Amino acid sequence: NAGVTQTPKFRVLKTGQSMTLLCAQDMNHEYMYWYRQDPGMGLRLIHYSVGEGTTAKGEVPDGYNVSRLKKQNFLLGLESAAPSQTSVYFCASSPTGAYGYTFGSGTRLTVV
Amino acid sequence: GQQVMQIPQYQHVQEGEDFTTYCNSSTTLSNIQWYKQRPGGHPVFLIQLVKSGEVKKQKRLTFQFGEAKKNSSLHITATQTTDVGTYFCAEIYNFNKFYFGSGTKLNVKP
Repeated sequence: NAGVTQTPKFRVLKTGQSMTLLCAQDMNHEYMYWYRQDPGMGLRLIHYSVGEGTTAKGEVPDGYNVSRLKKQNFLLGLESAAPSQTSVYFCASSPTGAYGYTFGSGTRLTVV
Repeated sequence: GQQVMQIPQYQHVQEGEDFTTYCNSSTTLSNIQWYKQRPGGHPVFLIQLVKSGEVKKQKRLTFQFGEAKKNSSLHITATQTTDVGTYFCAEIYNFNKFYFGSGTKLNVKP
């Protein structure tokens, strides 16, 4: 019973490099979310998806892209990483948009 | 966007003391959720409040939703070192996503 799995757990990127963060859930949840967490800023919503094949922008979408080709997977892409994207990234899923989220363990990303 | 404010930002207590964190909004909330995040961990869903004036308890934790549905509180009775972490409230937005408060970081001194 894995719940929400995020890979990788840690990553260091150089400015301008690209990468993809993977989120996988095995709970058959429709809704999936990407948040970033910075000190003193709480959790801020980057992008979200209300079902397979759909994505939408959250509070801070600039510099990120997402895809939800399969219901169980939600990918977060950084096309050209910037130091301002240094953060801890959390993926979450929910059976409906109004129910409690299950979070993954996070990806700690450092952009140098 | 995010309209929920959380206070205090930090709270240091002696083990056995009580602790309360507050979540305030300028608008009426349809519902509110509370999460706990241990140091180095991920947020864990605690509870959801929906009804005006609702009070829910989980062992030493008491959650309240204000009568006007503009504020909420989490109260911990007789804190323990296992209560250490950051407590977040989250408000629903557009019926399908939540925005989180900035959190209250609780430190419990043994």
